[in-house]
Amino acid sequence: GQQLNQSPQSMFIQEGEDVSMNCTSSSIFNTWLWYKQEPGEGPVLLIALYKAGELTSNGRLTAQFGITRKDSFLNISASIPSDVGIYFCAGLSYGGATNKLIFGTGTLLAVQP
Amino acid sequence: DAGVTQSPTHLIKTRGQQVTLRCSPISGHKSVSWYQQVLGQGPQFIFQYYEKEERGRGNFPDRFSARQFPNYSSELNVNALLLGDSALYLCASSLDTGFRNQPQHFGDGTRLSIL
Repeated sequence: GQQLNQSPQSMFIQEGEDVSMNCTSSSIFNTWLWYKQEPGEGPVLLIALYKAGELTSNGRLTAQFGITRKDSFLNISASIPSDVGIYFCAGLSYGGATNKLIFGTGTLLAVQP
Repeated sequence: DAGVTQSPTHLIKTRGQQVTLRCSPISGHKSVSWYQQVLGQGPQFIFQYYEKEERGRGNFPDRFSARQFPNYSSELNVNALLLGDSALYLCASSLDTGFRNQPQHFGDGTRLSIL
């Protein structure tokens, strides 16, 4: 199935470090989303982006909607152990009356206390 | 308020069997979508239902079917199970099919294992 390219695939960092991850697509999206998934749970929405160039923050998280509408970035500042999980980007694809999320391949984040 | 609830949480089946997974959306949400998440990958879109009608279908075989009930809950059915159907099946709900400011909220999924 279709998946967006997300990098890096995994990150192992020390508590307090900043984190950056990005997502690219060959297709244009009108909406970009970032989710976090922890073991045994479903994805939880972190940030939603609706306009090209938009920069949105949610606490220590900041995400940007790329100008070309084909990419997005997520930054986490001052990481803490509870940031551990898999982060997914998702582009929203509109088609008639349907909207479906196209997910990225995920970035596994591990934080060493 | 209760979030999206899915049942059962875990299920073990053998090849060739049939399975039914259930989802209750967030109260007031009329749209339900189903996704399949294979280990190590992001979720893949299977179906979207709104007001009991199918509004979208992903690239899955006809062995996969779904329906939505008048109370907006939904069932996903998979027939003639294959080993490759082993995955986490996620349900997401939203107010309607229009997305802006109406994000899709996910349940914790049903883990389906095929032996």
